[in-house]
Amino acid sequence: KAGVTQTPRYLIKTRGQQVTLSCSPISGHRSVSWYQQTPGQGLQFLFEYFSETQRNKGNFPGRFSGRQFSNSRSEMNVSTLELGDSALYLCASSLEGTVEQFFGPGTRLTVL
Amino acid sequence: QKEVEQNSGPLSVPEGAIASLNCTYSDRVSQSFFWYRQYSGKSPELIMSIYSNGDKEDGRFTAQLNKASQYVSLLIRDSQPSDSATYLCAVKRGSSNTGKLIFGQGTTLQVKP
Repeated sequence: KAGVTQTPRYLIKTRGQQVTLSCSPISGHRSVSWYQQTPGQGLQFLFEYFSETQRNKGNFPGRFSGRQFSNSRSEMNVSTLELGDSALYLCASSLEGTVEQFFGPGTRLTVL
Repeated sequence: QKEVEQNSGPLSVPEGAIASLNCTYSDRVSQSFFWYRQYSGKSPELIMSIYSNGDKEDGRFTAQLNKASQYVSLLIRDSQPSDSATYLCAVKRGSSNTGKLIFGQGTTLQVKP
């Protein structure tokens, strides 16, 4: 069974731009969670989607948003990029009724 | 106080030794506990999950949970150089299936040949 896939793997943007990242969960997994990983703050929860609805949200500004489609694929968007948004963005999926999350390879975002 | 705390290390052990990684958490309602391994430049990989007090063994890995002391640990027996990585402890509150995991900063393990 294929794992979680994320695209693109690497992205370079400049301050003020916006970016959209994509995540396809493991087949059959309907829950998708997004995390930001930086050297200073570690892994921090952004939000979780289940059945196209945001089920949980972390403590990030409104510039960070997401959505989920009927096929469980998810996208996250960051508007008005700041230098501090440079990070590894990780998507994790889990099977309904379970709590174990499986991570994708991540998207490395660099903001110049 | 951070919600999930780990010693950042590095923890250095010789090949073949037992590596002991520790994690404490602050929220008593936490129900589910996970250990992830992250190699440099890669994403976290789930290696153990534990939900009840006591020990859970899987191959060379043993997770230990003590909810009264709010403490979870990971033992790696017969450590190999390929075990050198950062080990992340993660905690989920409550009994619902909603996804938010809270991670510690991770402990870097170095296994020396």
